[in-house]
Amino acid sequence: DVKVTQSSRYLVKRTGEKVFLECVQDMDHENMFWYRQDPGLGLRLIYFSYDVKMKEKGDIPEGYSVSREKKERFSLILESASTNQTSMYLCASSFRQAYGYTFGSGTRLTVV
Amino acid sequence: AQSVAQPEDQVNVAEGNPLTVKCTYSVSGNPYLFWYVQYPNRGLQFLLKYITGDNLVKGSYGFEAEFNKSQTSFHLKKPSALVSDSALYFCAVRDMNRDDKIIFGKGTRLHILP
Repeated sequence: DVKVTQSSRYLVKRTGEKVFLECVQDMDHENMFWYRQDPGLGLRLIYFSYDVKMKEKGDIPEGYSVSREKKERFSLILESASTNQTSMYLCASSFRQAYGYTFGSGTRLTVV
Repeated sequence: AQSVAQPEDQVNVAEGNPLTVKCTYSVSGNPYLFWYVQYPNRGLQFLLKYITGDNLVKGSYGFEAEFNKSQTSFHLKKPSALVSDSALYFCAVRDMNRDDKIIFGKGTRLHILP
């Protein structure tokens, strides 16, 4: 079964910490995405990547960065975590955009 | 601008009754439309998609969706609801103006009452 795996289901971090959220897919997909999900706001795109070492800003990139050194792995980095980054983070991948995304199980991050 | 709207934040249906979760879209060109479901503290799972062909699309878990071009709608339906169908449902559409990225509605919470 094809999979997108997010390394942590739940994380609690302190304000100011550097936080790494890892995502790995085993489907040889070119495209990978990071979203955050908040009640009433739906899914908002943070960053995406169409190829190794390639990254593009989404709709809300401020306070985040990403890394894609290998095709299968796309990492989201919170340089200095803040309480307003408490959220559910979802990673997704796709072969071709038009055919839909496969999502990981999500990481619920709490910044205290 | 390409967009997708889910007009209901929440839908309540009695178990065994038919259910409908509404979605309307606004796109240029031919729409690619999707439905996803999210169970508590989980990621989104693909239910079904419409790209071309029959207006009635069948998907996972007994769900289907009806594409209506004149009404620009893509409503999700199921003939007989189960309590286990209670979840958050997202409609989504391909955005041709943004490199074909998929944009999501805000979601509709479906409650199936036993």
